[in-house]
Amino acid sequence: DAGVIQSPRHEVTEMGQEVTLRCKPISGHNSLFWYRQTMMRGLELLIYFNNNVPIDDSGMPEDRFSAKMPNASFSTLKIQPSEPRDSAVYFCASTIGLADYNEQFFGPGTRLTVL
Amino acid sequence: KNQVEQSPQSLIILEGKNCTLQCNYTVSPFSNLRWYKQDTGRGPVSLTIMTFSENTKSNGRYTATLDADTKQSSLHITASQLSDSASYICVVTRTGANNLFFGTGTRLTVIP
Repeated sequence: DAGVIQSPRHEVTEMGQEVTLRCKPISGHNSLFWYRQTMMRGLELLIYFNNNVPIDDSGMPEDRFSAKMPNASFSTLKIQPSEPRDSAVYFCASTIGLADYNEQFFGPGTRLTVL
Repeated sequence: KNQVEQSPQSLIILEGKNCTLQCNYTVSPFSNLRWYKQDTGRGPVSLTIMTFSENTKSNGRYTATLDADTKQSSLHITASQLSDSASYICVVTRTGANNLFFGTGTRLTVIP
């Protein structure tokens, strides 16, 4: 049974370029979360969706970041324009519902390096 | 302010030895506390979850404890193995919203 799938696994780009990260949640999961992880700040929640609808985007650092979930099996996180301080590992996670107790299942992450 | 603090930041132990990782939190109102294991280059995987009324939860060689009064949790690893080398992250969920607060993790290295 496939887990959360993220692509690409690694992305190296130059400052100012647009970056798009992709996520396919576990089939049947209706909640999806985007996280960013850095050495200094650890894991930070950026945005999450329930039934394809953005519920809370208060963690999105600034307008350069945007996320979409056009259907139940696909989500994107876009950074435009990218900056060196965006370099981090970006994780996507999915779960069923939004109950506090529900375990989130994480993908392998996308390591983004902005030069 | 809602915070989760973990200690130590890093730890090196010999294979076969036990170790204990600490997590202190100020998140309120408290819903649950989860310990995750994150192998290098992978996403976090849940080890245990505890609610307010639970003070111990085991998963194989991993035993988590929770003291909701002092807002402290620990993760004890027994008879460590090389495969235990990873980062261990404490995550506290606040009641009423899908609001997760993450510690910065403890990096554990088990050496032969």
